[in-house]
Amino acid sequence: DGGITQSPKYLFRKEGQNVTLSCEQNLNHDAMYWYRQDPGQGLRLIYYSQIVNDFQKGDIAEGYSVSREKKESFPLTVTSAQKNPTAFYLCASSPLGQGGQFFGPGTRLTVL
Amino acid sequence: AQSVTQPDIHITVSEGASLELRCNYSYGATPYLFWYVQSPGQGLQLLLKYFSGDTLVQGIKGFEAEFKRSQSSFNLRKPSVHWSDAAEYFCAVGAGGYQKVTFGIGTKLQVIP
Repeated sequence: DGGITQSPKYLFRKEGQNVTLSCEQNLNHDAMYWYRQDPGQGLRLIYYSQIVNDFQKGDIAEGYSVSREKKESFPLTVTSAQKNPTAFYLCASSPLGQGGQFFGPGTRLTVL
Repeated sequence: AQSVTQPDIHITVSEGASLELRCNYSYGATPYLFWYVQSPGQGLQLLLKYFSGDTLVQGIKGFEAEFKRSQSSFNLRKPSVHWSDAAEYFCAVGAGGYQKVTFGIGTKLQVIP
């Protein structure tokens, strides 16, 4: 079955540590996205990528980094520079030029 | 800049009753509009989308939405709500191409027997 996988579902880290969240898709979609979701704030775009080896900052990119070395993979690193990293992180993908994004199940990150 | 307003944070309806969730958007050109649904602790699922053409759009799970340009609205409706519809619903607006979209803050739907 085609879809988007995010791992792990729950992640705990100590303050000051970098952590990388995985996102893989087998939908052959060109574009991929990372969102952060906090209660009462909807989804906020962190980074997005339209093609391999290219990505752009979204609305809240500070303290995050990404890479896009393969079409199917778009990992997100939450660095120690992110002031409030505890949140629910959602990865999505879409075919370029068409509508609608497909979402993964999310990773809940808790920084202790 | 594009924006989305969902004026109702929580809505409670009785099972079997009709449902309308409101969404107003701000966008400079003809928008691409979406409704998504999210169950607790899960990702989002696309319910329906509007790009052009017929302003009444049918989606999955018996939902529909109507695009009203004069009111900058894209309200989601369902004639008879089921208990399994309890979830959070997000309206979103975007452009074509890479599909950068802006999401509303969501409306939580509670369904009572």
